[in-house]
Amino acid sequence: SQELEQSPQSLIVQEGKNLTINCTSSKTLYGLYWYKQKYGEGLIFLMMLQKGGEEKSHEKITAKLDEKKQQSSLHITASQPSHAGIYLCGADLGGAGANNLFFGTGTRLTVIP
Amino acid sequence: DAEITQSPRHKITETGRQVTLACHQTWNHNNMFWYRQDLGHGLRLIHYSYGVQDTNKGEVSDGYSVSRSNTEDLPLTLESAASSQTSVYFCASSPPGSQQFFGPGTRLTVL
Repeated sequence: SQELEQSPQSLIVQEGKNLTINCTSSKTLYGLYWYKQKYGEGLIFLMMLQKGGEEKSHEKITAKLDEKKQQSSLHITASQPSHAGIYLCGADLGGAGANNLFFGTGTRLTVIP
Repeated sequence: DAEITQSPRHKITETGRQVTLACHQTWNHNNMFWYRQDLGHGLRLIHYSYGVQDTNKGEVSDGYSVSRSNTEDLPLTLESAASSQTSVYFCASSPPGSQQFFGPGTRLTVL
């Protein structure tokens, strides 16, 4: 969706390095959902953020929603080959919850062993 | 275990043919969605349903239709397949206000 911009489009990192993926909207993010997709497979839910300033972590992945609720970042610490895949952000831009999500174009992450 | 399945996983068809993609979920979720995924466009919503007999158009609904006769299934029909509909199609379901759970996808090629 043009209402949601993801950056970078692709990322190649050495194993062990940290990285950040951004998701930016021109509208208020009532909810922001991060998913991971492996090639040829469906999307796996990672985390959901709803409140300005909110931060959630799972293993080595941390997601944040800024105070203005227009940008979210996904940070991976000490990347591993298992982190490789496509990361997508899905946004609730109308307050309808996950009933109507707009998705970014995705960030393709490659982790070199 | 509850799950969401799509069939077929791969389909090749010819221009002008009618094609139906199946989506079945066993979570008893009211909400179901169909997306297409294309390079450079990400996921785009085709149709969605909030319950039996309810269907709504999404961002890219032209040339597609859905019907919801029960909670478990939301089949997607391409009335007359076009080459522009070559894509990977994903079905998803969710309880109200919660994250969407995605199926494994169907890769459709229209020749």
